[in-house]
Amino acid sequence: AQSVTQLDSQVPVFEEAPVELRCNYSSSVSVYLFWYVQYPNQGLQLLLKYLSGSTLVKGINGFEAEFNKSQTSFHLRKPSVHISDTAEYFCAVKRSGATNKLIFGTGTLLAVQP
Amino acid sequence: SQTIHQWPATLVQPVGSPLSLECTVEGTSNPNLYWYRQAAGRGLQLLFYSVGIGQISSEVPQNLSASRPQDRQFILSSKKLLLSDSGFYLCAWSGGQGTYEQYFGPGTRLTVT
Repeated sequence: AQSVTQLDSQVPVFEEAPVELRCNYSSSVSVYLFWYVQYPNQGLQLLLKYLSGSTLVKGINGFEAEFNKSQTSFHLRKPSVHISDTAEYFCAVKRSGATNKLIFGTGTLLAVQP
Repeated sequence: SQTIHQWPATLVQPVGSPLSLECTVEGTSNPNLYWYRQAAGRGLQLLFYSVGIGQISSEVPQNLSASRPQDRQFILSSKKLLLSDSGFYLCAWSGGQGTYEQYFGPGTRLTVT
């Protein structure tokens, strides 16, 4: 069965420092991958997606992610974080087969400190 | 552009009372619709999804049910709430074949007392 692993439940970082949020997936077929951000008491917002093509994907708010098929990873990065980036970040993979259902990781709380 | 609405935003209900949460989507037709629950400090659990009017698939057995009376309306219901039903309920939609990303509503915070 497919799965998504976000090993870090919380990542503390100082403002203006770079950050990487890790995501690993398990799948034996082609994958479609997503990163979402959730601010407190709000719904999830799509940050970026990988469907095909270039393995480096750029998203909103200065975030980018790199698809690595050999390492089955899709890590999210930002070169310089801001206080306003403090939020929960979820990695997701589309389930295989004729379905639009997504499998979500358990989330990583990015805590940006001044 | 497409928008998705959920109401109410917050709800406090006693154990054993009924529940009705509503989700509507604007600006698209024949969307796939989803209900998720997010317990405190945890990830998202898919509860129901629908590919069309009257077509509902349940992901987990529970005392909740879902209905889709209109193309862009999705309702989550319960006849008798349990304490364990407390959580943050999110509705989402996705487009047709070849589009896989889901777009989420603002959510409903349900507290069962």
